[in-house]
Amino acid sequence: DAMVIQNPRYQVTQFGKPVTLSCSQTLNHNVMYWYQQKSSQAPKLLFHYYDKDFNNEADTPDNFQSRRPNTSFCFLDIRSPGLGDAAMYLCATSRDYPGLAGDGRYEQFFGPGTRLTVL
Amino acid sequence: KQEVTQIPAALSVPEGENLVLNCSFTDSAIYNLQWFRQDPGKGLTSLLLIQSSQREQTSGRLNASLDKSSGRSTLYIAASQPGDSATYLCAVQGGSRLTFGEGTQLTVNP
Repeated sequence: DAMVIQNPRYQVTQFGKPVTLSCSQTLNHNVMYWYQQKSSQAPKLLFHYYDKDFNNEADTPDNFQSRRPNTSFCFLDIRSPGLGDAAMYLCATSRDYPGLAGDGRYEQFFGPGTRLTVL
Repeated sequence: KQEVTQIPAALSVPEGENLVLNCSFTDSAIYNLQWFRQDPGKGLTSLLLIQSSQREQTSGRLNASLDKSSGRSTLYIAASQPGDSATYLCAVQGGSRLTFGEGTQLTVNP
């Protein structure tokens, strides 16, 4: 089945130790997104790619970086995790931006998430 | 800046009851609105997408409506079941960005 896959599902790291989360998709979608969701809060967009074109949200900390080496894969790098970075990290894809179709048809599909614990 | 509010924050109902979850948003310039389900510790499952030109969408026991001019959407769940227990999130898409509400935590008691 076509889907969005995230690895690992659970990641434990130490304060200040770099960590990389991965996302892959078999949907062949143009857009990939990374969201951060803290406990009982709404998901917050960190950045997204349209193909190789990177778009950073203005309030995303510099500690967070991303790579998209090809259509299928996208990585989230946290250079020096702090206790405040413990969260669920969600990857999503969409075929295109909804505005490009003119009718808003393109929904976002989410992966199962990676829960990050920082000790 | 778009803001999305969901009311109530939590809801507990007996099995079999019909229920309505509410979502409001401040900027009506949206492309679509999506309703998601999130089980504890899991990712998001898309339930329904309503395009900005549409008024409602239905899937099984779920019906979602959209009133873009007033900035409101409702998710109607018919004949609720214990398996419906989850957090339901509403999100609106403007440009390239989905803006989420904080969700309604639903508990359906057997």
